[in-house]
Amino acid sequence: NAGVTQTPKFQVLKTGQSMTLQCAQDMNHNSMYWYRQDPGMGLRLIYYSASEGTTDKGEVPNGYNVSRLNKREFSLRLESAAPSQTSVYFCANKDRRGYTFGSGTRLTVV
Amino acid sequence: QKEVEQDPGPLSVPEGAIVSLNCTYSNSAFQYFMWYRQYSRKGPELLMYTYSSGNKEDGRFTAQVDKSSKYISLFIRDSQPSDSATYLCANNFGNEKLTFGTGTRLTIIP
Repeated sequence: NAGVTQTPKFQVLKTGQSMTLQCAQDMNHNSMYWYRQDPGMGLRLIYYSASEGTTDKGEVPNGYNVSRLNKREFSLRLESAAPSQTSVYFCANKDRRGYTFGSGTRLTVV
Repeated sequence: QKEVEQDPGPLSVPEGAIVSLNCTYSNSAFQYFMWYRQYSRKGPELLMYTYSSGNKEDGRFTAQVDKSSKYISLFIRDSQPSDSATYLCANNFGNEKLTFGTGTRLTIIP
């Protein structure tokens, strides 16, 4: 999806391993978000950042940390991955009308 | 009770038919209403956006909001195979958090 780039696209982790999901925008928007999408659960907000240097918890923040080092980048870190964190992760930013999503990271924790 | 309820489907209709997708919501404070379309293995993309009761048209798509009954609908006229996707309704208070329905998977049969 134009404007929001996520890496990696796929990842398999072992329980207890750590990793960082990267997200970068080229749209110069202040607000950025991390969602996870699970079957039957829809999209659920993990963390968001209303501006550079600020972050806030969403609906399901446990087990995750985020970092908004600059306006362009918003990363999501799993310190000790658990099978319950197997999901598709989407980063998004927001303009006055709505949200632009990245193409997602498919994460499997075994 | 979830804040936004959406029938997950799946829904299959023949090409050319009119499609009706629906959501109900529980919080009357929601101000903004959106429909997102998500193709398989892609991120959601904004389809329609409205903040008032009534109808909003965009080509073959019509979004309808009834705030008195807390009901939102998306109508697709002259449906095409390329409309096959998952459709997500989303509501917002006007702040940073977007609340999604679980999505309805739609297949248009040629």
